[in-house]
Amino acid sequence: SAVISQKPSRDICQRGTSLTIQCQVDSQVTMMFWYRQQPGQSLTLIATANQGSEATYESGFVIDKFPISRPNLTFSTLTVSNMSPEDSSIYLCSVPSPVYGYTFGSGTRLTVV
Amino acid sequence: DAKTTQPPSMDCAEGRAANLPCNHSTISGNEYVYWYRQIHSQGPQYIIHGLKNNETNEMASLIITEDRKSSTLILPHATLRDTAVYYCIVRAPMDSSYKLIFGSGTRLLVRP
Repeated sequence: SAVISQKPSRDICQRGTSLTIQCQVDSQVTMMFWYRQQPGQSLTLIATANQGSEATYESGFVIDKFPISRPNLTFSTLTVSNMSPEDSSIYLCSVPSPVYGYTFGSGTRLTVV
Repeated sequence: DAKTTQPPSMDCAEGRAANLPCNHSTISGNEYVYWYRQIHSQGPQYIIHGLKNNETNEMASLIITEDRKSSTLILPHATLRDTAVYYCIVRAPMDSSYKLIFGSGTRLLVRP
């Protein structure tokens, strides 16, 4: 099954700034998924990132706020733009796995102050 | 929307079996039941999955009812390290266009 390296593992950012989160997969995958987990909540899907096409965003998430890049089949980034304290969450990437359904990165814990 | 419902919380004593129920009454014929758990807000970890037969691996057992409308995850000898949020999810296998939608999960507390 694929192994995902997600960076950074945590960060504390000033409001109004942006943070880019990276996910590197050790094998080629067609689709990558980005999730947000707000404090005490379950995971919410932000968007699906396909290589070579625009990401598909879920209801309530927009590209201007969460731009995603997918330059190749092993890498993707999610940017959290113009951050506010409400963006304080854990952000996770995920890829499909033939054995495990999905494999997840270890997450990025973001605190906006 | 999530296609499963789970109790919000459960607890069990260390060394005893933990039985976590999940209802998935609208499951389709080609959808599997997957279980994941999340410890301390790390990335969710795969536990087990099944279609209609009971399954067992080194971590847990999965019991699926004959009508497939519900299932139970069994941790046979719970340890303190099993304290986590457990998610039951249904999805069609290898359908990478099918989004993985998480419900609220069950927060399991294993007591010493």
